[in-house]
Amino acid sequence: DAGVIQSPRHEVTEMGQEVTLRCKPISGHDYLFWYRQTMMRGLELLIYFNNNVPIDDSGMPEDRFSAKMPNASFSTLKIQPSEPRDSAVYFCASSHGRLTKLFFGSGTQLSVL
Amino acid sequence: GQQVMQIPQYQHVQEGEDFTTYCNSSTTLSNIQWYKQRPGGHPVFLIQLVKSGEVKKQKRLTFQFGEAKKNSSLHITATQTTDVGTYFCAGSGGYNKLIFGAGTRLAVHP
Repeated sequence: DAGVIQSPRHEVTEMGQEVTLRCKPISGHDYLFWYRQTMMRGLELLIYFNNNVPIDDSGMPEDRFSAKMPNASFSTLKIQPSEPRDSAVYFCASSHGRLTKLFFGSGTQLSVL
Repeated sequence: GQQVMQIPQYQHVQEGEDFTTYCNSSTTLSNIQWYKQRPGGHPVFLIQLVKSGEVKKQKRLTFQFGEAKKNSSLHITATQTTDVGTYFCAGSGGYNKLIFGAGTRLAVHP
């Protein structure tokens, strides 16, 4: 298995632009998580899905952030409009079963100028 | 809400010295997981502990889960340069989701 695949690896954009991050979970995994990592706040859980349904989005910072999972093999995290404070590494992770080990993707390094 | 605190924030050791990081939760945990993140990399799962007082070993790494299931530790014996990275604990209480600690960054000097 190729593992969790995220794209792009790096994204540099200007403030106000829309940013879309993509994730393909491991086949057969029924949970998908979006995390954000910064030096100041560490690893923060933004949202997670179970069987493509959003379960908990309490970590989504603002209405500017939205996430979708249209099918079992694809998820997106969108930021519109982006702001410099959104600069961070965004990780997608998937797991098989509830509260089991997470498999992380390589992350997307987002820089908003 | 549930919080997972991890200490120390940083640890510098000479190669061959031991290293320990501690994780404490404000609430009782149903399980705890440990991850390692190499510089520039992504978190990689190391182990999961579920039972009160559980101790597990992986070569030079020893993981413990406290009797009250509110704390955990990771101990590395005789560190090597390959141990460099940030070690995270992640706990699950009553919220059905993993909350990560801030991590302990380990530097090993040869």
